[in-house]
Parts: sequence; C-alpha cells; structure tokens
Amino acid sequence: DGGITQSPKYLFRKEGQNVTLSCEQNLNHDAMYWYRQDPGQGLRLIYYSQIVNDFQKGDIAEGYSVSREKKESFPLTVTSAQKNPTAFYLCASSIRGKVETQYFGPGTRLLVL
Amino acid sequence: AQSVTQLGSHVSVSEGALVLLRCNYSSSVPPYLFWYVQYPNQGLQLLLKYTTGATLVKGINGFEAEFKKSETSFHLTKPSAHMSDAAEYFCAVSLWGGGFKTIFGAGTRLFVKA
Repeated sequence: DGGITQSPKYLFRKEGQNVTLSCEQNLNHDAMYWYRQDPGQGLRLIYYSQIVNDFQKGDIAEGYSVSREKKESFPLTVTSAQKNPTAFYLCASSIRGKVETQYFGPGTRLLVL
Repeated sequence: AQSVTQLGSHVSVSEGALVLLRCNYSSSVPPYLFWYVQYPNQGLQLLLKYTTGATLVKGINGFEAEFKKSETSFHLTKPSAHMSDAAEYFCAVSLWGGGFKTIFGAGTRLFVKA
C-alpha cells in the first residue's frame, strides 16, 4: 500500500538535545512538507521541498532543519534552538505543480522532558 | 494576505442532526479550497476539494461543501450526523505563488451527542 510513514509516534527531548523526526513516502510524490500543530492554531508550515536536494523555509522555520537527499525521505531535525518544541508534527506529500491533495502521515508527538 | 477563518472552535450536534461547519477565506485570486478531517492522534485526511467547475462539491462520508464566491465561503455540511463524525475539521486554501502554498484554518472540533 502507498502512503506516508512517520516515526517515532512519540519522541522525548531533553534540554539542549537535537532530535530527528523521520518521514518516508512511497507515493512517488515530488513535494514534501513539515507542519507543526498546536491546539487551537491549526497547522503551521515549517519547511517544504518541491524537489530532491532543494527545500524552502515555511512560516516557522527557526529552530528546525531539514534535508532532502532522496525523493522518498524528508527528515526534520528539531534543534536545541527551538525553545518550545512540544507539539504534534505532521509530514505531508503531494504531486508537485498541481492543485492537489496533500497526503498526511500519522504524525509524531514531541514532548520535552 | 490570504487567510482562512473557521467560525467556532467547537461545534456540538445531536446524532441525526444537520452538521454545518463554517469557513470563510480571503484571497485576491480565486483559490482552491479543501476540507480535511483529523481523528485523534492521526494525520489529516481529505474530505473534499473545490478547484473549478461545479460549486457544490460532494466528498466522502456524506459530506458536501458549497463554494460561494460572493460570500467568500466554503461551508461544510452533512444532513445527518453520525457518532463516527466526531473529529476535528480543517478548512484550507491553496494558492499559487511559485508553487502551491496551502493555508489551514485553526480547525473546528465536532462533538456528536447520542
């Protein structure tokens, strides 16, 4: 079955620690996205990538970093510079250049110890 | 600037009653419009979308939405609520700007009472 997987489902971060959230898709989509979801605020775009080896900052990129070395993978690193990382993180993908549905993964909940 | 406003962070209906979730947008160009549903601790799933053509759009699970340009609205309805409809619903606008950018509303949580 085609889809998007995110791991882990829950992640705990200690002070000063960088953590990496995994996102993999086998839909052959060119575009991938990372969103942060906080209660009552909807989804906010962190980073997006339209093609391999290229990515753009979204609305709230500070304290986060990404890479796009493979079409199917778009990992997100939450760095120690992100002072309020507790949130639900959603990865999505879509066909580049079309008005399209975004397909979402099941999410990773990040908690700070 | 483009924006999406969902009226009511929480909506409660009785089972079998009409569901109406409101969404208004602001955009300088005709947008593409979406409704997504999210069940607890899960990702979002597309309910329906409007791109062009017929302004009344039918989606999954008996939901539909009507694009009203004059009112800049895209309200979601379902004639008869079911307990399984309890979830959070997001309205979204997709606009072209060197690539499509999607803006999500803050979400409306739907409660269904037995």
